[in-house]
Amino acid sequence: DTGVSQDPRHKITKRGQNVTFRCDPISEHNRLYWYRQTLGQGPEFLTYFQNEAQLEKSRLLSDRFSAERPKGSFSTLEIQRTEQGDSAMYLCASSFEGPPGDEQFFGPGTRLTVL
Amino acid sequence: QKEVEQNSGPLSVPEGAIASLNCTYSDRGSQSFFWYRQYSGKSPELIMSIYSNGDKEDGRFTAQLNKASQYVSLLIRDSQPSDSATYLCAVILSGTYKYIFGTGTRLKVLA
Repeated sequence: DTGVSQDPRHKITKRGQNVTFRCDPISEHNRLYWYRQTLGQGPEFLTYFQNEAQLEKSRLLSDRFSAERPKGSFSTLEIQRTEQGDSAMYLCASSFEGPPGDEQFFGPGTRLTVL
Repeated sequence: QKEVEQNSGPLSVPEGAIASLNCTYSDRGSQSFFWYRQYSGKSPELIMSIYSNGDKEDGRFTAQLNKASQYVSLLIRDSQPSDSATYLCAVILSGTYKYIFGTGTRLKVLA
């Protein structure tokens, strides 16, 4: 049984470039979440998918951010025209819908550095 | 008022002692609560979930939930140096799928 995987684990880019991250959830999980975490803070919710549908998106997510989960399996998070303030750890988590609740399991994260 | 509040610490306890970590939340309608452990440079790891008032025990960990007072706590018995980490409290906002995390409490267990 493999856990949540993310690729790449590290990304260094120059300001203004576009970057794309991939997340592969646990195979039987139908829910997938993206978070951003900066030093000294807890994970900050970005968006949520149930199967292929994007059901919730943070207002903090600017138009430069987009996420997809085309076949309800893996997901991608793209950041366009990166800014230095985008430097953070980007975390993906997945869960299985069912009672009594919704326990999320996190991937190892992608650390983004924008120069 | 923050949606989920935790004391940032550090909380220092001697090895073998009980560590008590607290979390308060503002959404009275929240029904689902979670504790995660995060080692430096790593991703969060689920410790426990709790949904009903009262205590829930799992090994050396006990989660306590009091919805009337809007707090959830985590007790770690027989603390070990390997328990030294940041502990994150998370709450699902009512009517949403949004998990809100606190900033975490840094725990140091002294050998």
